[in-house]
Amino acid sequence: DSGVTQTPKHLITATGQRVTLRCSPRSGDLSVYWYQQSLDQGLQFLIQYYNGEERAKGNILERFSAQQFPDLHSELNLSSLELGDSALYFCASSLRTSVGNEQFFGPGTRLTVL
Amino acid sequence: DQQVKQNSPSLSVQEGRISILNCDYTNSMFDYFLWYKKYPAEGPTFLISISSIKDKNEDGRFTVFLNKSAKHLSLHIVPSQPGDSAVYFCAASARIQGAQKLVFGQGTRLTINP
Repeated sequence: DSGVTQTPKHLITATGQRVTLRCSPRSGDLSVYWYQQSLDQGLQFLIQYYNGEERAKGNILERFSAQQFPDLHSELNLSSLELGDSALYFCASSLRTSVGNEQFFGPGTRLTVL
Repeated sequence: DQQVKQNSPSLSVQEGRISILNCDYTNSMFDYFLWYKKYPAEGPTFLISISSIKDKNEDGRFTVFLNKSAKHLSLHIVPSQPGDSAVYFCAASARIQGAQKLVFGQGTRLTINP
């Protein structure tokens, strides 16, 4: 158990819809990262927040957005969903944006868009 | 633009033998390299890391080798055990646009045969 929690575990929705994925980091961790893993793909970095502020952006679509709240939990919002958005979405956390950057991953949310 | 590549999608090794997982990278700005292990239905978990100023790091049965001139790293597991069967991700870290980012490879599925 990494200490990072993600809800929901599974999500099935239709094209055009909007969903929100939630992540609670490990106690004390200030950084939250979101990743997408599509079928047979590696982990693609989407976005990072540090203590409530956006810190880095990766391959995140404009239809996607995220935020980190004062209690440090984070939400990833996916809108106008397309079939290709079906993937595993992982959240990870770390104490800071350290050089070693060891991140602790949650179990993921599996999103299926029908 | 795949900056971190794991060219072998799968690897099968006999129990007790050595498993060698390989990873190549293209960006010379990467200053830290990590290996993550992932079981089905779980998030990746950190395994071992190496700084770019070193060429070897060992932790029990796991050793990571870094060849900077070849932009290549490898993970050695010896002796291999059935519990090592998992997907292994290589990741590289660099400070990009003011933030430390992790770039992951596509993963290699390791199967240890009894």
